[in-house]
Amino acid sequence: GAGVSQSPSNKVTEKGKDVELRCDPISGHTALYWYRQSLGQGLEFLIYFQGNSAPDKSGLPSDRFSAERTGGSVSTLTIQRTQQEDSAVYLCASSLEKLAGGPDTQYFGPGTRLTVL
Amino acid sequence: AQKVTQAQTEISVVEKEDVTLDCVYETRDTTYYLFWYKQPPSGELVFLIRRNSFDEQNEISGRYSWNFQKSTSSFNFTITASQVVDSAVYFCALSGGTGGFKTIFGAGTRLFVKA
Repeated sequence: GAGVSQSPSNKVTEKGKDVELRCDPISGHTALYWYRQSLGQGLEFLIYFQGNSAPDKSGLPSDRFSAERTGGSVSTLTIQRTQQEDSAVYLCASSLEKLAGGPDTQYFGPGTRLTVL
Repeated sequence: AQKVTQAQTEISVVEKEDVTLDCVYETRDTTYYLFWYKQPPSGELVFLIRRNSFDEQNEISGRYSWNFQKSTSSFNFTITASQVVDSAVYFCALSGGTGGFKTIFGAGTRLFVKA
């Protein structure tokens, strides 16, 4: 079946502009994660959605970052007033979380490469 | 706070050599989950293994094996008879416990396998 998809694959924007990044998780996956990967670095957790529970936003670096997940499926990560340090690859992952079984395998999308000029 | 350390930034080996990637984690929880992911040059992360804290059995999958030792808080990954296609960045990750489903990744180890 279809994997996790993200759009756009690349985004170039000017400093100060807002951007929206989209993630389509695997159908039926209840959990959705956003990560940021700066050049040559590891993955930095941003936010996690699980079903109807309140999202875990503890990884969002500033109030310029926000995310929504509509209808328990598609998610949008919004960065307002972008800065050059926001340049990175933004990765989305989804998983079939079984609450009784602990965190499950995450399936990653191809990422959106954001460049802020 | 939970933490994952992959002290090896880059490793270079010649094809057919065995190589071990180290992963050391920190957590105060008794229930947690450990993962390894592979990120090939194409960029998309691929799941390799998931292990919960109550299962210390080592696992072998083809040329891959994992050594989980709670006494040293380590979850090391060995590739036997490495191949050029194994060249990638490998990430160790930790989740569960008081952190919930939030997943903490190590910085990754870049493996180069030369022909």
